[in-house]
Amino acid sequence: AQSVTQLGSHVSVSEGALVLLRCNYSSSVPPYLFWYVQYPNQGLQLLLKYTTGATLVKGINGFEAEFKKSETSFHLTKPSAHMSDAAEYFCAVTAYTGRRALTFGSGTRLQVQP
Amino acid sequence: DAGVIQSPRHEVTEMGQEVTLRCKPISGHDYLFWYRQTMMRGLELLIYFNNNVPIDDSGMPEDRFSAKMPNASFSTLKIQPSEPRDSAVYFCASRETSGPGELFFGEGSRLTVL
Repeated sequence: AQSVTQLGSHVSVSEGALVLLRCNYSSSVPPYLFWYVQYPNQGLQLLLKYTTGATLVKGINGFEAEFKKSETSFHLTKPSAHMSDAAEYFCAVTAYTGRRALTFGSGTRLQVQP
Repeated sequence: DAGVIQSPRHEVTEMGQEVTLRCKPISGHDYLFWYRQTMMRGLELLIYFNNNVPIDDSGMPEDRFSAKMPNASFSTLKIQPSEPRDSAVYFCASRETSGPGELFFGEGSRLTVL
């Protein structure tokens, strides 16, 4: 079975500050990891994904995440927050074989203060 | 290219009524997923299909819920009879057979049961 835990249901940062959203996963097989963003009244949009290879992955809108196997983590970062980054962010996990659905974390709502 | 298309976007109904939610996946995608999103439970997988065949329906809450996929371009999620606790946003998502499992989401159907 696979699961993800997102630490902090709400994160507030000032515009221009570093964004750090935390995600830890549990998986008995090598995982594929994802970050999705959800804006109000919209569906989920893929930010970035880790499958194999380079452990630092870059996504859209200046976000990046680093896969750390030793820490079972896949934290999302952005050097400088923008007002438009205010949204809910979901970490998700799946595996190449077996169950093909994504298992999502509980989400982190990011607030950006002017 | 058109994304995943869901209808209706909003549905308000009274307890006991039948509700049918519809989904058109992205052309060429072999997997289709139904998720439910609530404040209390987050994003839950209800059921998913591969090549129109239900693979895992362990997330379907109870017998009042049913899902079908009569062909590769159409799926329905039906609730009969509906109850207030079914109020949620229901998302449909699809993905290709190959690749790391990225899901493409529709914009969701917001259901309110009075």
